[in-house]
Amino acid sequence: DQQVKQNSPSLSVQEGRISILNCDYTNSMFDYFLWYKKYPAEGPTFLISISSIKDKNEDGRFTVFLNKSAKHLSLHIVPSQPGDSAVYFCAATPGTYKYIFGTGTRLKVLA
Amino acid sequence: NAGVTQTPKFRVLKTGQSMTLLCAQDMNHEYMYWYRQDPGMGLRLIHYSVGEGTTAKGEVPDGYNVSRLKKQNFLLGLESAAPSQTSVYFCASQDDGTGELFFGEGSRLTVL
Repeated sequence: DQQVKQNSPSLSVQEGRISILNCDYTNSMFDYFLWYKKYPAEGPTFLISISSIKDKNEDGRFTVFLNKSAKHLSLHIVPSQPGDSAVYFCAATPGTYKYIFGTGTRLKVLA
Repeated sequence: NAGVTQTPKFRVLKTGQSMTLLCAQDMNHEYMYWYRQDPGMGLRLIHYSVGEGTTAKGEVPDGYNVSRLKKQNFLLGLESAAPSQTSVYFCASQDDGTGELFFGEGSRLTVL
């Protein structure tokens, strides 16, 4: 059973607009979450993280929101740029290790 | 600073053959992971290690074995390859302080 779900396989957004990528999880023990970006033929690279003691974390154009009661997190990218086109994965852990990843969302930013 | 290095990058096997993927990290990280990426399935955890000499099963461990004889190396073995093991394999090591995972570039394995 998939513990971390990204229900939108793909998303297209116009350059300059906001991209919102969603992630849902089922395990209430998850308390630390990461977002990763992946370009073709490369390994995933870290974007941003959030701990369960927070509901928001920002880093430049990237903001992650966490709603623990809904077991939902989202990644906002504002403004979106063509270079943001990639596959985005969310990941969760119930402690300090053993990260479980979602299925990924392919973002395409249209120029 | 090389980070996480995976070898080989590409391999084609016949059903029933065996092989080992090597992951090496130079960041002195305790935790290391092996994931596989398949279309529509995302990254699925195969096995992981919380330190030298330790290994544990992840989400999809069947058909794979691992060893962590040295802290910097994490080996993934396929004893008898099957077509269902055709995939891209990623190794990662984890920064003990921040929790951030550092990934290798991936190893594409095809089993005919």
